[in-house]
Parts: sequence; C-alpha cells; structure tokens
Amino acid sequence: GDSVTQMEGPVTLSEEAFLTINCTYTATGYPSLFWYVQYPGEGLQLLLKATKADDKGSNKGFEATYRKETTSFHLEKGSVQVSDSAVYFCALSDRNQFYFGTGTSLTVIP
Amino acid sequence: DTAVSQTPKYLVTQMGNDKSIKCEQNLGHDTMYWYKQDSKKFLKIMFSYNNKELIINETVPNRFSPKSPDKAHLNLHINSLELGDSAVYFCASTAGNTGELFFGEGSRLTVL
Repeated sequence: GDSVTQMEGPVTLSEEAFLTINCTYTATGYPSLFWYVQYPGEGLQLLLKATKADDKGSNKGFEATYRKETTSFHLEKGSVQVSDSAVYFCALSDRNQFYFGTGTSLTVIP
Repeated sequence: DTAVSQTPKYLVTQMGNDKSIKCEQNLGHDTMYWYKQDSKKFLKIMFSYNNKELIINETVPNRFSPKSPDKAHLNLHINSLELGDSAVYFCASTAGNTGELFFGEGSRLTVL
C-alpha cells in the first residue's frame, strides 16, 4: 500500500542555517505530494505541494521537488528563521486517501 | 470566517463518560476526515465521509462513531472514554480535485 517515510527528528538548527528534511514515498498510482506545517498549538496547514513528477512546490522560502525516479520529495530552505520552528509533515494523496509521515520537529535557535 | 471549525477546543472528562466533538466546514467540500494525533505528533486517520457516506473506516474501536448530518458537518462521538483516548483530534476536509486537506485547529481531549 501507499506510505510516506520521513526523516526522524528532532532537528535543531541555528538561525540562517540550511534545512533539509528528507521524505520518500511508496505509491501504486500517481499521487500528489505535500508538505504540511504545524505550529505549536495549531492545526496543520499546507506549506507546499506538487502534483506531478518534476514539479517544484515552493512557499515562504521552502522548496521541494517531486522526484519520481527516487520517489522523494525532500523539503529544503536556504536560511531558516526562529519563526520556522514547527513540526513538518510530508504527505501524499492518492484517490482522496491521504498518507502522512511521522512528522519532523524543527527548532531554530537564535 | 474559519474554513474548518471544531468545538470544543479543549475537553477534560472522566473515564467511562461519553463525549462528542463537532466539526463544520464552509468550503463546500465533499469529503471530511477525522484524525487522531498522539503525544508524539503521529497522525492516524480514523474516518472519512464523502457526501455523507463512510468511505474509510480504519481499525478504530467501535466506541468511536462518526455522524454526518450533512456534507458540511462531521461529528465524532466517543462512548466509554478510556485513558488512551487522550489525544488531539483533528477534523479536515478536501474538495478532492486539488488534493489539499484543510485542517481544523484541533480538539484536545484529556481523559482522567
């Protein structure tokens, strides 16, 4: 069946450091891929998405590219800020079924 | 206007009680979900309703029952609450074609 595997945390970075959170997936069809972010005490909100191979999703300085050959959708940001501290979830959607990774907690210290 | 709203936001109750959490979405979406998030932030799908029909029913205890009076509402009723039911419960909805899920802010349930 479909599944998502993402890098375990927690991840602690200094402000302005480079961020990568790895995500790989298994899917039988042609899924859409997402990164969701959950700030403390809040629900999940969409950060970015890609609907087909080689698409790049981007938002708020974050980027991820849908790589079919490596079944990956790694999240990157060139320079993190304290306000990026949150839990990040990789997810895939296939025929209205959603599969989430286990979440990666990111803490950015000044 | 909040797109997906849940009530109550916090719920503290005793073991053995019955409680409900309500969810409403004003996005015109056809499909709604309930997720359970444990203390380690792991998200588990519980139920999904599409046009008032149950289309996913994961292996949750039958003490949990979803109720959808119309496609804008999906309520969660829990009977005979247990300590292990303590978690944050999230409602979500999707239009389907974009694939994006919209989440509510969560309902934190604490069973004492």
